[in-house]
Amino acid sequence: AQSVAQPEDQVNVAEGNPLTVKCTYSVSGNPYLFWYVQYPNRGLQFLLKYITGDNLVKGSYGFEAEFNKSQTSFHLKKPSALVSDSALYFCAVRDQEYGGSQGNLIFGKGTKLSVKP
Amino acid sequence: DAGVIQSPRHEVTEMGQEVTLRCKPISGHDYLFWYRQTMMRGLELLIYFNNNVPIDDSGMPEDRFSAKMPNASFSTLKIQPSEPRDSAVYFCASSFLGQGKGEQYFGPGTRLTVT
Repeated sequence: AQSVAQPEDQVNVAEGNPLTVKCTYSVSGNPYLFWYVQYPNRGLQFLLKYITGDNLVKGSYGFEAEFNKSQTSFHLKKPSALVSDSALYFCAVRDQEYGGSQGNLIFGKGTKLSVKP
Repeated sequence: DAGVIQSPRHEVTEMGQEVTLRCKPISGHDYLFWYRQTMMRGLELLIYFNNNVPIDDSGMPEDRFSAKMPNASFSTLKIQPSEPRDSAVYFCASSFLGQGKGEQYFGPGTRLTVT
């Protein structure tokens, strides 16, 4: 079965410091991996995805994520956090081989990122 | 493209009343998803459609909930009768599997309050 784990409910970072939001996954085959961000009172916004190729994926707002197949992880990173990055972040996965799920994504529970000035 | 459109943005109703939430997906997308988000339960997938056909409705909480997709540009989620525990933000999302391997695009949500 497919699953996603975001082990931290909340991450606190000082502005200007690097940030990491962790995500691990479990799929039968090869994964498609996604990160979304949700600002207060808004819908989820797509940030970036890993499909194949380079393990380091760059996305919107200066975020990037590193795919690590051996550790089954896809951590979200940013070199220098901004107060405006404070939001709820979701990791999601789809199994390339899991034909039955077709278009569905499995979402993690979300990690609240708080960036303090 | 205007993105996924949901209406209404806010709905306040009394227990027992029928509630209908509406969604217009992004043109050309072949998947449509309905989610519910609460503080207690997080983001829950309720049902999703492919080419207007329901694929998986196992997340629909009970028979009071129903969803339809009569055509490629419109879907509804209906709650009848509504209960206070249905209060949540309901999101619609759409995707196109063939392009970009299926990232979903979310609407702004409908905040439902049942009193």
